[in-house]
Amino acid sequence: DAGITQSPRHKVTETGTPVTLRCHQTENHRYMYWYRQDPGHGLRLIHYSYGVKDTDKGEVSDGYSVSRSKTEDFLLTLESATSSQTSVYFCATMASGSSYNEQFFGPGTRLTVL
Amino acid sequence: AQSVSQHNHHVILSEAASLELGCNYSYGGTVNLFWYVQYPGQHLQLLLKYFSGDPLVKGIKGFEAEFIKSKFSFNLRKPSVQWSDTAEYFCAVKSKGTGGGNKLTFGTGTQLKVEL
Repeated sequence: DAGITQSPRHKVTETGTPVTLRCHQTENHRYMYWYRQDPGHGLRLIHYSYGVKDTDKGEVSDGYSVSRSKTEDFLLTLESATSSQTSVYFCATMASGSSYNEQFFGPGTRLTVL
Repeated sequence: AQSVSQHNHHVILSEAASLELGCNYSYGGTVNLFWYVQYPGQHLQLLLKYFSGDPLVKGIKGFEAEFIKSKFSFNLRKPSVQWSDTAEYFCAVKSKGTGGGNKLTFGTGTQLKVEL
């Protein structure tokens, strides 16, 4: 495993509140990703980062923002949480240097928006 | 945009039965393909990957997959499943992201239950 931790692991919040999820890695991987997992949809990419302060949108980025001020941390923010954002969120990382590299996944954060 | 289809959403097998999970992708160019597994309550782990060369790829825990370009398929197989193979299985295809990183497009997953 690539030494990926996510915090919090579980969170319950109310509609309209901001929420920030944290992904921390100890492997010095260049690339970091945020996915959400929903039944019947598999995993869908929200945002990803290809370096410090370099980010790009994925396929389901509306309502989410990200920041990466350090190599090891990638934050996902729900600006104003909605019930449709109830999901399990996974962070992933990938080393640079080869297109043969795989993505390594964190343990996930289960978010419930009431 | 690429898409990945996994036609079997739920599969129930008895121990020692053979397994084949279907995966089809939409992209017609050079593809890199992956199978990930998610055991109950755990994160995703890589089972195997195909980048080039031999279309029959062997992975961990006795799993293998065959890349058939003409059928746009990358089916996962195991000759004899065990109860411990109960998990959700995801097929994924790689595309190039900004800055050189890989982006993965996942299928919707197949939930496998192996009964004793």
